[in-house]
Amino acid sequence: GENVEQHPSTLSVQEGDSAVIKCTYSDSASNYFPWYKQELGKRPQLIIDIRSNVGEKKDQRIAVTLNKTAKHFSLHITETQPEDSAVYFCAASILTGGGNKLTFGTGTQLKVEL
Amino acid sequence: SQTIHQWPATLVQPVGSPLSLECTVEGTSNPNLYWYRQAAGRGLQLLFYSVGIGQISSEVPQNLSASRPQDRQFILSSKKLLLSDSGFYLCAWSNPHLGTDTQYFGPGTRLTVL
Repeated sequence: GENVEQHPSTLSVQEGDSAVIKCTYSDSASNYFPWYKQELGKRPQLIIDIRSNVGEKKDQRIAVTLNKTAKHFSLHITETQPEDSAVYFCAASILTGGGNKLTFGTGTQLKVEL
Repeated sequence: SQTIHQWPATLVQPVGSPLSLECTVEGTSNPNLYWYRQAAGRGLQLLFYSVGIGQISSEVPQNLSASRPQDRQFILSSKKLLLSDSGFYLCAWSNPHLGTDTQYFGPGTRLTVL
């Protein structure tokens, strides 16, 4: 089955700096890659996703890049703010039209310091 | 708009007691439904998913079971809880009929087994 590795497990940046979180996946058939943000005690919230027919997607301060050949994808947050502090999870799955099974990374605890 | 509900929000149960967690979705028909567990400080583990009434796929062998008695209702059960069943249980839904399989999470149930 699919295996997703996520690095780093913790990341501390100064407010205004950029943060990058990287994930690799094992199944070359995976074609959907969402990123979730989870604040303490809350549910994971989708922040951005990318499909395998696209190499990059951007939404304001957040961007995701995908390298299908190397089987890795990354989350980029620019101009970080204290409210960006949370745990971020990457995931990978195969869209089948039926039940897609997301395989999650182990999460990155991002801390944005003032 | 679609909403997803879970209850109870928190639960403290003794070892060996039964469990029933409920998840309901509003505002959509024929959703795919998922149960995940998140141990403290860990990632999300897919437990069950369902693509229709009475259709349940199990991902991890365990003492838990799931049922889908109605289109928008998903129930997670156990006959006898173990200490290792403690965690944050999240229900999620997706609508494959939109040509996307983005998953959206419910607010979760925090279960403590003593």
